[in-house]
Amino acid sequence: QKEVEQNSGPLSVPEGAIASLNCTYSDRGSQSFFWYRQYSGKSPELIMFIYSNGDKEDGRFTAQLNKASQYVSLLIRDSQPSDSATYLCAVAPTAGNLIFGKGTKLSVKP
Amino acid sequence: NAGVMQNPRHLVRRRGQEARLRCSPMKGHSHVYWYRQLPEEGLKFMVYLQKENIIDESGMPKERFSAEFPKEGPSILRIQQVVRGDSAAYFCASSEGLYQPQHFGDGTRLSIL
Repeated sequence: QKEVEQNSGPLSVPEGAIASLNCTYSDRGSQSFFWYRQYSGKSPELIMFIYSNGDKEDGRFTAQLNKASQYVSLLIRDSQPSDSATYLCAVAPTAGNLIFGKGTKLSVKP
Repeated sequence: NAGVMQNPRHLVRRRGQEARLRCSPMKGHSHVYWYRQLPEEGLKFMVYLQKENIIDESGMPKERFSAEFPKEGPSILRIQQVVRGDSAAYFCASSEGLYQPQHFGDGTRLSIL
């Protein structure tokens, strides 16, 4: 069964620090990788996507992909209290549907 | 630029009734996906559709659930004879193409009395 694993957290970091979120996946044939942010009671919001090995940066966010290790990570620099949310890792293994991890709850303390 | 539109936002049904959830994808998106999120659980894929075609329904329960995406109009997720266990948030997402980023609607919160 294809799986996506994340630490459930909560991960607590002080304001201004770097938050590091990790995700592993089981299907080596996976093609594309996404990070979503979900505030309590709200819908998932796409924040990053990555297709190739290496790093991809967008503002304060950096996504890292290592297909050999089947590992995806998200770094949030200069964390803000407004970044406090659940972060969902999602992987597209084959025909487009996404497999989601259960999410890591991030808390940024002022 | 309108995003993915879902309605209704909240839906209350009694056991045994039917629930119809609607989703209009983002402009220019022809791929639609439905996901279900149970309380304190992760998002689970249900079905993937393109106009007039079901591409993948491997996550859909075999009974009582159906989905369509007609040539004209929104995609519909239909749940017949609802039971308490159907209470969940149902999210629709759309994308421009295969493996492209999926953008989510605000969801429909279904409550079964």
